[in-house]
Amino acid sequence: DIQMTQSPSSLSESVGGRVIITCRTSETISRSLSWYQQRPGKAPNLLIYGASTLQSGVPSRFSGSGSGTEFTLTISSLRPEDFATYYCQQSYRTPFTFGPGTKVDVK
Amino acid sequence: QVELQESGPRLVKPWETLSLTCTVSSGSIKLDDYYWDWIRQSPGKGLEWLGNIHFSGKTYYISSLEGRVTMSVDTSKNQFSLKLTSVTAADTAIYYCARHPEAKNWFDAWGQGTPVTVSS
Repeated sequence: DIQMTQSPSSLSESVGGRVIITCRTSETISRSLSWYQQRPGKAPNLLIYGASTLQSGVPSRFSGSGSGTEFTLTISSLRPEDFATYYCQQSYRTPFTFGPGTKVDVK
Repeated sequence: QVELQESGPRLVKPWETLSLTCTVSSGSIKLDDYYWDWIRQSPGKGLEWLGNIHFSGKTYYISSLEGRVTMSVDTSKNQFSLKLTSVTAADTAIYYCARHPEAKNWFDAWGQGTPVTVSS
């Protein structure tokens, strides 16, 4: 199975601040990487697929980059509704696997 | 916009069978280019994809559940289901149904999730 790691595991930032989350995979997956946002008590919500393509309806302050084994999710200017946990997921090969998550909370 | 909703018992006794159903609304389950998935989330294991089913009946299960898991589809009710036998406390989790586009493998729709506890 492809192993996923994320860093940091948690971070604190202010509204308006910039956040960068890194996801690494145990083997190369081209650009087959997706990002999800999960708010407390809710299901994960797809933000980005194909490493950098924004899902319909996702604000442009979210962006993704990377290929191979290292990927990043950037939130350019945090809004109150962005305080949540973020997960990466590899879509390269079954079994599909998720990262352990990065919790973003208020500084 | 397709909607998914899980249903089923929230408490299951050890060594019994966990049974959940996902009802798909505002869209058909009979789409050639979509697969229907089960994913669970627990504090210990995080998000874990369990497998999927196509409306044709084709299934994929993760190896760690082989022998215990069965997924099925009922196109007449626009539903798909999960059965997990011989459950233990390790199967306690929030269970989500979801879907992914074929060959794209990201989950673009999710149910709200249903918590299942395995306890006597």
